[in-house]
Amino acid sequence: QKEVEQNSGPLSVPEGAIASLNCTYSDRGSQSFFWYRQYSGKSPELIMSIYSNGDKEDGRFTAQLNKASQYVSLLIRDSQPSDSATYLCAVLSGSARQLTFGSGTQLTVLP
Amino acid sequence: KAGVTQTPRYLIKTRGQQVTLSCSPISGHRSVSWYQQTPGQGLQFLFEYFSETQRNKGNFPGRFSGRQFSNSRSEMNVSTLELGDSALYLCASSPLPGTSGRDEQFFGPGTRLTVL
Repeated sequence: QKEVEQNSGPLSVPEGAIASLNCTYSDRGSQSFFWYRQYSGKSPELIMSIYSNGDKEDGRFTAQLNKASQYVSLLIRDSQPSDSATYLCAVLSGSARQLTFGSGTQLTVLP
Repeated sequence: KAGVTQTPRYLIKTRGQQVTLSCSPISGHRSVSWYQQTPGQGLQFLFEYFSETQRNKGNFPGRFSGRQFSNSRSEMNVSTLELGDSALYLCASSPLPGTSGRDEQFFGPGTRLTVL
């Protein structure tokens, strides 16, 4: 069974700090990786996608992918209270467009 | 560009009833996927449709079914509702494979189903 594991948290960081979220996946054939942010009572919002090994930066967010280690991470720089949410790691496997999600990491940014 | 829309947003049903949920994808998107989200199981894949064909199905009983229309709008149906079907049902749409932003799925606001 294909699995996606996230550091369970919850994770608390002070405002302005770097938040680091981690994810590992079991399907070595996975090609597409995503981070979603979900506020309480809302639906998931796509914030980052990454397909190749290395880093991808978008504003305060940096996604990192290491396929050899089957590891994906998300760094949030200069964390803001508005970043407080649950962050979901998702992996797309094979030819099917089926996302497998981790259980999520709840992040709280303290003012 | 308008996002994914889902109707209704909230539903209350009783055990044994059936329910139909609707999803309209982002304009130009032709792939629609459905997910169930519960506190205990998290987000789980139900099925995916492309060009009116179900391409993949998750590990859910046959009570869960869906379809897609020629305009890419999709519906999912749950028959003989059980208490455990209470969940947030999410629809996600994707652009055509090979286009920019490949494989990205964008979620609608969801339908909150409560089974009493």
